[in-house]
Amino acid sequence: DGGITQSPKYLFRKEGQNVTLSCEQNLNHDAMYWYRQDPGQGLRLIYYSQIVNDFQKGDIAEGYSVSREKKESFPLTVTSAQKNPTAFYLCASRPLGQGYTGANVLTFGAGSRLTVL
Amino acid sequence: QKEVEQNSGPLSVPEGAIASLNCTYSDRGSQSFFWYRQYSGKSPELIMSIYSNGDKEDGRFTAQLNKASQYVSLLIRDSQPSDSATYLCATNTGGFKTIFGAGTRLFVKA
Repeated sequence: DGGITQSPKYLFRKEGQNVTLSCEQNLNHDAMYWYRQDPGQGLRLIYYSQIVNDFQKGDIAEGYSVSREKKESFPLTVTSAQKNPTAFYLCASRPLGQGYTGANVLTFGAGSRLTVL
Repeated sequence: QKEVEQNSGPLSVPEGAIASLNCTYSDRGSQSFFWYRQYSGKSPELIMSIYSNGDKEDGRFTAQLNKASQYVSLLIRDSQPSDSATYLCATNTGGFKTIFGAGTRLFVKA
């Protein structure tokens, strides 16, 4: 079955550590996204990528880094510069060039919950 | 300025009633609009998408779009306790970004 796999599901980080969240999709989607969700809040965009080896900052990119070396993969690194990283992280993807059709909607992974100890 | 705004709620309705969820957006260039449902601790799932002015119905759900007023709504008829969740409004902006509102929490009382 096609979908998005995020790992790990739960992650604990000590202050000062970098951690990397994995996101892999087998949907052949061009665009991939990382969102952060805090309790009781909506989704805030961290980074997004439309094509391999290219990505753009979202609204809250500070303290995060990404790479897009393969179409299927879009890992997110939470660096020690991110002062309040405890949150629920969601990876998503969607095809591009579908116009205004039902095909241009986001598909989400199950999420990764990061807690700073 | 927030680009997508929703009333955070909670919105509480009795079982069998109509739940009405509202959303406004600031980018007049937005063309695609979505409603996602999110249960606690889970990822969002798509409920409805709408691209043209007017109403779009799918089962118990109706999405309404008014581009002149920059307003999107979601009606849930015959609300069930299983509809209790957070509903997120989203839009695709230029540059391939999909941005979300803060979500409205809905409680359906049995």
